[in-house]
Amino acid sequence: AQKVTQAQTEISVVEKEDVTLDCVYETRDTTYYLFWYKQPPSGELVFLIRRNSFDEQNEISGRYSWNFQKSTSSFNFTITASQVVDSAVYFCALSLETSGSRLTFGEGTQLTVNP
Amino acid sequence: AAGVIQSPRHLIKEKRETATLKCYPIPRHDTVYWYQQGPGQDPQFLISFYEKMQSDKGSIPDRFSAQQFSDYHSELNMSSLELGDSALYFCASSWDRWGGDGYTFGSGTRLTVV
Repeated sequence: AQKVTQAQTEISVVEKEDVTLDCVYETRDTTYYLFWYKQPPSGELVFLIRRNSFDEQNEISGRYSWNFQKSTSSFNFTITASQVVDSAVYFCALSLETSGSRLTFGEGTQLTVNP
Repeated sequence: AAGVIQSPRHLIKEKRETATLKCYPIPRHDTVYWYQQGPGQDPQFLISFYEKMQSDKGSIPDRFSAQQFSDYHSELNMSSLELGDSALYFCASSWDRWGGDGYTFGSGTRLTVV
């Protein structure tokens, strides 16, 4: 069985602040994949990143960065210099090779960036 | 670039009616997934297909059925609709079974049961 926990239900910041969204996962599998998705108010799910369990390199893409630490089973997401357009619900998700590649989502974090 | 197409975008049905949701994956994507997202909740996996065969099944009610056709499009059939079926239904596709390109999601079908 697998589980994803996003303990932060809601986060509110002021524009240009940095913000980190936490994600903790549980699995006994050694091969797994971690994802982050953004869901803006319009409702679509936008893919941000995919990481496999053997690649612990941190990733930076523009203002976004991800910190993957297997030792703490965490895959945290940081937005630098946040903007109002970053306001959305962010989901962390996990898939296992042994479970047919279905995505198990965390509960999501509602991020509000105020001007 | 082509995306995952879902139709209809919005659907209003009465209790006990039937609904059919359609999904057209990205060309050359052979894996399709269906998810249900209730209000304020995270998406829940329903069912998936790989090369037109059911590959995995999640928390899909017996009142629901789905299939993938020869052209790889998929349909989710929902019968005896209940108020609790009101949700956003997403279809996603990928070119491999492990989301190598991140499982591209469609814009979703918002089903309202009244």
